[in-house]
Amino acid sequence: SQTIHQWPATLVQPVGSPLSLECTVEGTSNPNLYWYRQAAGRGLQLLFYSVGIGQISSEVPQNLSASRPQDRQFILSSKKLLLSDSGFYLCAWSPGLYGYTFGSGTRLTVV
Amino acid sequence: GQQLNQSPQSMFIQEGEDVSMNCTSSSIFNTWLWYKQDPGEGPVLLIALYKAGELTSNGRLTAQFGITRKDSFLNISASIPSDVGIYFCAGQRSYNTDKLIFGTGTRLQVFP
Repeated sequence: SQTIHQWPATLVQPVGSPLSLECTVEGTSNPNLYWYRQAAGRGLQLLFYSVGIGQISSEVPQNLSASRPQDRQFILSSKKLLLSDSGFYLCAWSPGLYGYTFGSGTRLTVV
Repeated sequence: GQQLNQSPQSMFIQEGEDVSMNCTSSSIFNTWLWYKQDPGEGPVLLIALYKAGELTSNGRLTAQFGITRKDSFLNISASIPSDVGIYFCAGQRSYNTDKLIFGTGTRLQVFP
């Protein structure tokens, strides 16, 4: 069966520090992968999506970047975190039939 | 990015009451989906709708794909405390090749 793993679950980082969040999918190949951010009590904002290895599309200009070094691995990064990068980050993948399946999320607090 | 208009923004109801929420768009979608997000978790798919006019149930949840393809509705009957969370609608124009467009969310609180 297909599963999606996202870690870490929570992270507290100082302003100016680097960031690396990882997402992996099991049980499928060549999935479409997505990174979303959710501010407290707000909706889902699509940050990046990828349809294949090395293929990244950015939805909004920002301090973050994404990479897909392997078929089932999607990484969200930053060289220097800002306070405004705080939020709940969700990885998702598309099973191809309908909708997305989401990971359990990473709560990032930049202090 | 584009978001769907979802209402109400929040609801505070008593256990046992029925709940209705809706989602509207200025453009047509071929798939409508409803997700629920528990606090601190990722959204989980509740119901998927594929055809205009379709009415689909999942336990106490019933969702409808609007006949114009520009709206969808979710009803929850006889609410219980574990219904608490944020409910998101999402629209998709075509399977697999198109990104989901999410609604702004409805936050539901249920009081015993």
